[in-house]
Amino acid sequence: DVKVTQSSRYLVKRTGEKVFLECVQDMDHENMFWYRQDPGLGLRLIYFSYDVKMKEKGDIPEGYSVSREKKERFSLILESASTNQTSMYLCASSLQGRPQETQYFGPGTRLLVL
Amino acid sequence: QQQVKQSPQSLIVQKGGISIINCAYENTAFDYFPWYQQFPGKGPALLIAIRPDVSEKKEGRFTISFNKSAKQFSLHIMDSQPGDSATYFCAAYRAGANNLFFGTGTRLTVIP
Repeated sequence: DVKVTQSSRYLVKRTGEKVFLECVQDMDHENMFWYRQDPGLGLRLIYFSYDVKMKEKGDIPEGYSVSREKKERFSLILESASTNQTSMYLCASSLQGRPQETQYFGPGTRLLVL
Repeated sequence: QQQVKQSPQSLIVQKGGISIINCAYENTAFDYFPWYQQFPGKGPALLIAIRPDVSEKKEGRFTISFNKSAKQFSLHIMDSQPGDSATYFCAAYRAGANNLFFGTGTRLTVIP
């Protein structure tokens, strides 16, 4: 059974803080993704990684960066948190070469930026 | 620009009824269309998917209908149950893209 875990379920941060969201998957998947989920906007891709140290921008990368030092771990970084980054953040993983195939999602991190 | 348009935003159905969620797309290069189901407090999970070479796919009470010429696809939930209450996302993928393009989601409530 694939498991994708996210380090926090809820986070409250202040404007300007640097925020780290961690994601770990245990199925040796090559692809990992970070999405944000907002009401009425669905899931929007922030960044995608298809290998260690590799990353690609998604639809809304501004204000975010990522790090993938190990295959199983993909981190999302908010360099200077802003109130418009208050959202639900979802991590997902999938097998290599088939990003369109089943993506396995973590439970999400609900981030509130004050 | 929303690549996949989904409607309705919310849906209330009586237990035993049929739930229908519709999606439409413009890009004819899309070649894989999954539906994801998300329960409160959980991440989305793949429910059912279809490729455009078939017009219908059925898994239990869940059916995807696909109309290639109209560039539309829909999810039908037969005999809807309160346990089906969740948010449903349609999505689309095209070869060469790095990601799925998700619809905006439909919040389904099935009342007893």
